[in-house]
Amino acid sequence: RKEVEQDPGPFNVPEGATVAFNCTYSNSASQSFFWYRQDCRKEPKLLMSVYSSGNEDGRFTAQLNRASQYISLLIRDSKLSDSATYLCVVTIGNYQLIWGAGTKLIIKP
Amino acid sequence: DTGVSQDPRHKITKRGQNVTFRCDPISEHNRLYWYRQTLGQGPEFLTYFQNEAQLEKSRLLSDRFSAERPKGSFSTLEIQRTEQGDSAMYLCASSRGVNEKLFFGSGTQLSVL
Repeated sequence: RKEVEQDPGPFNVPEGATVAFNCTYSNSASQSFFWYRQDCRKEPKLLMSVYSSGNEDGRFTAQLNRASQYISLLIRDSKLSDSATYLCVVTIGNYQLIWGAGTKLIIKP
Repeated sequence: DTGVSQDPRHKITKRGQNVTFRCDPISEHNRLYWYRQTLGQGPEFLTYFQNEAQLEKSRLLSDRFSAERPKGSFSTLEIQRTEQGDSAMYLCASSRGVNEKLFFGSGTQLSVL
């Protein structure tokens, strides 16, 4: 079992719809959690940190479920520009960042 | 621009040649990471530095790979005797410290022919 797992997709979603995807992690000692966005052949860019209480940034909501060991990302009112691969990453210990392979999202007009 | 910068953006080399990449992190960041990424995969950890000290190196990394950060600022990643399997995007990232957000450079796309 991979340490961090994501559904690779692609998720094909009409513009304006709401889409959500999860990321599961296996190490209960995971400390910090982040969502990154990566466009094709570009570097990952931080989308948002994920806090235990959940957090929202505009159309994006991230949540953490420590009991079930997953984090989620919800995108409301999706835009064409949201098309990208979404990577989750968890930190363990002093330096380890474990990355998921990403979920590909395609927003269709 | 005070972000992470990497040079070169693209490198094409013949198998067996040596290549060196450079990364300039955000100036106040003391942690610097090197990752490798291939299509459809997340970034794969190679090594990281806390200031000038290389504190961890992936067991997946062969002896052909070496990285330095001599003054705790910029870093170089060298691959000796390149192989076709080394073809990938090499990403550098920096952060302020433990469990802090990573900021990535644009990467160096290596193609080994």
